Amino acid sequence: AAGVIQSPRHLIKEKRETATLKCYPIPRHDTVYWYQQGPGQDPQFLISFYEKMQSDKGSIPDRFSAQQFSDYHSELNMSSLELGDSALYFCASSEGVNIQYFGAGTRLSVL
Amino acid sequence: AQKVTQAQTEISVVEKEDVTLDCVYETRDTTYYLFWYKQPPSGELVFLIRRNSFDEQNEISGRYSWNFQKSTSSFNFTITASQVVDSAVYFCALSESRANQAGTALIFGKGTTLSVSS
Repeated sequence: AAGVIQSPRHLIKEKRETATLKCYPIPRHDTVYWYQQGPGQDPQFLISFYEKMQSDKGSIPDRFSAQQFSDYHSELNMSSLELGDSALYFCASSEGVNIQYFGAGTRLSVL
Repeated sequence: AQKVTQAQTEISVVEKEDVTLDCVYETRDTTYYLFWYKQPPSGELVFLIRRNSFDEQNEISGRYSWNFQKSTSSFNFTITASQVVDSAVYFCALSESRANQAGTALIFGKGTTLSVSS
């Protein structure tokens, strides 16, 4: 069965650079979520989209933005990167209120 | 506000022991969902089970079982005859229900690290 695809898997950036993470949800899933997991922490919700419209907003910094495109894939754009942005970023998708399935994550290291 | 508490930070057992992971939640919603996810050392988040607030039927699936009790706001998870491959961080999570069709964010507990030695 198809799963959530995230790219890239690993990303290394310098401080103040920008990064773009991509997420391709499971086919027919209409809701996409982004989570950030710091080292030794639980995943924290950033933002979600339902049918290409922003649905919920969590603890997402103003330096970050995201969107969902017509083909349902989503991108998380991160600017003015800080050392504290180093984390594992997960994308998840669901069919409405059903189970959220997670991608393998993108590990971002900011140097 | 919603909150999930996993009081056990780390648990260490020897293979074939049974182990129960505790989860206590807080919510003002009458309709909500509870989840368990597993995060092995490789890092991915693997869905294990979901229960809605109206379904208190406990379930056994192979070596896994779950005990949902609304009266105590608990959703505990038991692994019977643990194996080394069960070593992982286990997260309990909560999400609210919503009138429209959109899914809602998962609120995770801090996680319990389970180490199973041979």
